Amino acid sequence: SQQGEEDPQALSIQEGENATMNCSYKTSINNLQWYRQNSGRGLVHLILIRSNEREKHSGRLRVTLDTSKKSSSLLITASRAADTASYFCATDAGANNLFFGTGTRLTVIP
Amino acid sequence: NAGVMQNPRHLVRRRGQEARLRCSPMKGHSHVYWYRQLPEEGLKFMVYLQKENIIDESGMPKERFSAEFPKEGPSILRIQQVVRGDSAAYFCASSPPPAGYTFGSGTRLTVV
Repeated sequence: SQQGEEDPQALSIQEGENATMNCSYKTSINNLQWYRQNSGRGLVHLILIRSNEREKHSGRLRVTLDTSKKSSSLLITASRAADTASYFCATDAGANNLFFGTGTRLTVIP
Repeated sequence: NAGVMQNPRHLVRRRGQEARLRCSPMKGHSHVYWYRQLPEEGLKFMVYLQKENIIDESGMPKERFSAEFPKEGPSILRIQQVVRGDSAAYFCASSPPPAGYTFGSGTRLTVV
């Protein structure tokens, strides 16, 4: 299966700390995307990193991609209570769809 | 707000009834994708449509599920004779990729 797998499944940190989530996948990809989902809400696209990129930043988000290890990480710096959500990685292999992992549930404690 | 609009937000159906889920893509987007999210799981692709065409339905269950995206109006995901296992959140997204899909807020289907 090409499905991404996030690690850890759940993460609980104090406000102000950094949160790191990892994603592994199994086949070659064109790009990898990270999404956030607040409880009971739809997905919000956070960041896309292409297969020829190694690192990308967006505000407090930092994403890395290691195609040799077929893995990606999402780092949220200086976390806030509002960052509490589920985070999904999704891989795009050029087919007509994305393959999503099961997500990491992040809880930021005020 | 020109985002992806899905309705209804919540839908309750008795076993055996039909469920119709609607999705209006972002203005100017002609590609629609449907995903299903079972409780505690990630999203799973169901079907990809362009106007009046089904491009990829490899994720659709073989029976009871159908999707359309007519020339005029929203995309419709139809589930006939619903069963409890159909209870899930159904998300619609519109593209173009690869800049990232724009997702709707989803329809939460509960089969009782």
